[in-house]
Amino acid sequence: GQNIDQPTEMTATEGAIVQINCTYQTSGFNGLFWYQQHAGEAPTFLSYNVLDGLEEKGRFSSFLSRSKGYSYLLLKELQMKDSASYLCAVREGGATNKLIFGTGTLLAVQP
Amino acid sequence: GAGVSQSPSNKVTEKGKDVELRCDPISGHTALYWYRQSLGQGLEFLIYFQGNSAPDKSGLPSDRFSAERTGGSVSTLTIQRTQQEDSAVYLCASSLPDRVGQPQHFGDGTRLSIL
Repeated sequence: GQNIDQPTEMTATEGAIVQINCTYQTSGFNGLFWYQQHAGEAPTFLSYNVLDGLEEKGRFSSFLSRSKGYSYLLLKELQMKDSASYLCAVREGGATNKLIFGTGTLLAVQP
Repeated sequence: GAGVSQSPSNKVTEKGKDVELRCDPISGHTALYWYRQSLGQGLEFLIYFQGNSAPDKSGLPSDRFSAERTGGSVSTLTIQRTQQEDSAVYLCASSLPDRVGQPQHFGDGTRLSIL
């Protein structure tokens, strides 16, 4: 079966660091994506991991461990505008490039 | 515009009516996807088009749902005899030809409400 788990909600303070975890069990694996989605808006691409390790992009980093079926998104120097849902998605591979999404983590950044 | 465009942005209709949702992908993107996002649920894959290949319809929830893509560009998702459980945000995404790590770019979605 397919299962992608993320915490439903998280709260953090402006200027701090927050880590959003994602665990997955899928029939195949060909990459993991993180998207950010503000309420009522389109999901926007943040990061991609296909090999084990850490990918860094400015204030955002994403980590992958394929053997553990685990990823996290790390957000540093939090800003109020980072308040959004963060979606973890796995590409199973094969003929279709479809993504299997978790339910998302709603992050609230407080002053 | 440079992004994926969807119309209408909102649609309210009565149960039993047919609805048609439209997606204009980013120019040059040969891959096009439809997803559905219900309240409290993750995005649910519906259908995938890639170039001239046969579409992957494995995510369509019932035969009331269909989609087509004309000329390799614009796509329409049609829901016949709508039911209340069809109420959701329908998102379209497009991407360049499949290569490792190619991200999907999403439109703002159509919010569908069935009365």
